[in-house]
Amino acid sequence: DTGVSQNPRHKITKRGQNVTFRCDPISEHNRLYWYRQTLGQGPEFLTYFQNEAQLEKSRLLSDRFSAERPKGSFSTLEIQRTEQGDSAMYLCASSPNPGPGWTDTQYFGPGTRLTVL
Amino acid sequence: AQSVAQPEDQVNVAEGNPLTVKCTYSVSGNPYLFWYVQYPNRGLQFLLKYITGDNLVKGSYGFEAEFNKSQTSFHLKKPSALVSDSALYFCAVRSSGALVFGKGTRLSVIA
Repeated sequence: DTGVSQNPRHKITKRGQNVTFRCDPISEHNRLYWYRQTLGQGPEFLTYFQNEAQLEKSRLLSDRFSAERPKGSFSTLEIQRTEQGDSAMYLCASSPNPGPGWTDTQYFGPGTRLTVL
Repeated sequence: AQSVAQPEDQVNVAEGNPLTVKCTYSVSGNPYLFWYVQYPNRGLQFLLKYITGDNLVKGSYGFEAEFNKSQTSFHLKKPSALVSDSALYFCAVRSSGALVFGKGTRLSVIA
């Protein structure tokens, strides 16, 4: 169990550019979540997957944001036409498979810090 | 909608003293409550959770939390604070598939 990993750890981009982040969940966790955290705030939910199916999306996930998990393993989060307001820490989490005694504890990665200039 | 509130932005405590970080919740139905800790430039680390059962939940690093249904609270506690406990603490409640977090409380333990 190597934990949730995210790449890159830091990304600096210019306004209007597209960026893509990757998340690798804990092995065999079939639920994967994306959150956004801005300075001084708690994380805010963006979306989550169960296997390759995207089950829920927050209203925060505008049409410039898209997330995929094509093979039910790693996931990517893409932001198109970035804006300065997109500057934040993007956190990924995964949780164990639903089953007897399942309580959906989410385990977080280190995050990708995005700075839009 | 499910929500949690952390009424204190900052808590200061002397090393060796007991600490409490407060959290209140507002839910429909049974609450699934969590505490996480965040160190600088790091992701969130799970500390403990309340699902059902005993109102006193024990977690990692000597932390515990007390679930109080009548006061709709889930305060985080530790009998003796360490300088290394200084960090940002988040209370969260499960809402459908997501976690809804409070704004966080910065704990500072002074030697």
